[in-house]
Amino acid sequence: QTVVTQEPSFSVSPGGTVTLTCGLSSGSVSTSYYPSWYQQTPGQAPRTLIYSTNTRSSGVPDRFSGSILGNNAVLTITGAQADDESDYYCVLYMGGGVKVFGGGTKLTVL
Amino acid sequence: EVQLLESGGGFVQPGGSLRLSCAASGFTFNNYAMSWVRQAPGKGLEWVSTISKSGDSTYYADSVKGRFTISRDNSKNTLYLQMNSLRAEDTAIYYCAKDYNFESHANWGQGTLVTVSS
Repeated sequence: QTVVTQEPSFSVSPGGTVTLTCGLSSGSVSTSYYPSWYQQTPGQAPRTLIYSTNTRSSGVPDRFSGSILGNNAVLTITGAQADDESDYYCVLYMGGGVKVFGGGTKLTVL
Repeated sequence: EVQLLESGGGFVQPGGSLRLSCAASGFTFNNYAMSWVRQAPGKGLEWVSTISKSGDSTYYADSVKGRFTISRDNSKNTLYLQMNSLRAEDTAIYYCAKDYNFESHANWGQGTLVTVSS
């Protein structure tokens, strides 16, 4: 059973930079997993931020960026703002039409 | 503007059935794969199922395989999820999503709540 791992929580100061990671319980994440990232605030539908590792979805500010760093996919937020306080989920594509979500990271901006 | 409007959620007893619908507009529906994603109360997101743009290929999470069926009617720009043999653990908000190919989700509906309880 493949498990996609994320930090349960993270905090960042306003104006600061934070890097959230998305890994595998076994093995390394590569571009072949087409990592994608989603933002969700409580009570709202998810919003797509990044797909195919590093492509920003329409309307997403360039403060959000995605990449592969070491064995993980990462989402970097620069110049953190109060309304970035949300849950962030990554998804890895396992092939055969199957996608797996990570458990999500709760980001606090304080 | 892409719009996805889910409907069909509600309260059902364990073992029962429910069919969700997702009405799509603002894009060429038959050019995109579509998915269902769910979120149990207080929990994270879980991919449920994906269907190809033509409807001839379908994919399911192990947790719903054999019980749920995804389908689409491209003439009506509508996506469906037929849910049978429902269990308490299927209680969740169900989101419809337009996909970037099969690998990731592009746009999301607002969701419809399914509650399975006796």
